[in-house]
Order: sequence, then C-alpha cells, then structure tokens
Amino acid sequence: GAGVSQTPSNKVTEKGKYVELRCDPISGHTALYWYRQSLGQGPEFLIYFQGTGAADDSGLPNDRFFAVRPEGSVSTLKIQRTERGDSAVYLCASSSGTSELSYNEQFFGPGTRLTVL
Amino acid sequence: KNEVEQSPQNLTAQEGEFITINCSYSVGISALHWLQQHPGGGIVSLFMLSSGKKKHGRLIATINIQEKHSSLHITASHPRDSAVYICAVKSSYNTDKLIFGTGTRLQVFP
Repeated sequence: GAGVSQTPSNKVTEKGKYVELRCDPISGHTALYWYRQSLGQGPEFLIYFQGTGAADDSGLPNDRFFAVRPEGSVSTLKIQRTERGDSAVYLCASSSGTSELSYNEQFFGPGTRLTVL
Repeated sequence: KNEVEQSPQNLTAQEGEFITINCSYSVGISALHWLQQHPGGGIVSLFMLSSGKKKHGRLIATINIQEKHSSLHITASHPRDSAVYICAVKSSYNTDKLIFGTGTRLQVFP
C-alpha cells in the first residue's frame, strides 16, 4: 500500500509569495500532522488534525501559516507572504489512532523542501 | 532548555562496534519514539515504546519512565546504519503531537 506522500518535493519561491504544500496521508488514517524541520535541527510541531478539524494548532508560528483538511484525508499547508526564515523541510505524518488510544505510531512522508529566496 | 535532549550530537564508529544513543526528557509522556532519518530522505519510525525494552534485529530500545531516559542501542554496527537518529516524545494524553530532540548524527566507517 502507498505511504504518506507530499507534493511538491521541492519548492523554490520568492520572498512575499504565497505557497501551498500538499500531504496525502495513508488511506484510512484519521490523524494528520504537520512538522517543520530547519537545517541541522529536529522537527518542530506545527498542527495536527483529527478528521477534518484541527485538534492542536499550537505550533503554527504566526497567522501567515494556515492548514486545512476539508474532507478528512488530503491536507494543505498554506503559507502567506513567505519570508526567508520559512525555508525548511515541511514534514507530514499520519496515524490511524483516535484520541482515546495512547499509542498511535506516526508514519512520515518524504517532506517538501521549501526555499524562500 | 529543550524538553527533549539527545547525546551525543555526533557519533562516529567503526563497523562492528556497539553503539548507544541517549535521550532525556523533562515532560510527562505517554510514549517515546525512536526515528531514523537518512540524508535527503524521509523519517522512518524504528520503535515506539512506553515502558521496558523492545528489540528489532540489531536494534534495541529501552526506556526508564522514572528517570525520564531512553537509550537506543545498535549491535554490530554497519555503514548502512549511518543516519540521524531522532528521539521524540508524545507529551500527554490530550494531544498527539510529538516533541523532537535535535537528533544524533551517526557515521559508521568500514
């Protein structure tokens, strides 16, 4: 079966532009997570969805970042007015569990490398 | 101070050596993950554990909840084990988000 996929794999944009990053989770996974990994650092949490709703968006750095998951499967991370500091690898992960379960292994996608010039 | 700290940050070894990577955390957790990331590659989950010890092939992961510490061991290391190893914790029962360490870069030379 297919794993988590992310598109594009690489995105180069200019400062001030708008970008959208897409994540296709494993089919049937109810939870979807977005993380950001800067060079030489571990990933940092951005937001996660349980179904269509954002269960925890405490990691979004500011209001330029927004994510949606309208039908509970594919998710799009949207970044407005991009800044050079937004350059990073954006990782998506999905898991099959619900909030009642303690142990929900997350499966990661390959990431989208965003470069803001 | 990071909530999840790993040591060492960088590690080199000769093929065949026994390797230990350590992870300490300062928050209450419900689960801890060990993840592997190859250069330019995605992240692969190696272990998820909440107590005791797990073994898979040459990899062993242990966790001591009271001491808030986990270790990842690699026996008979091989150059293909060269990667970044990341510890991540699920911080509470009310959110599924993971908090990550900064990773340990391992290089195994033949």
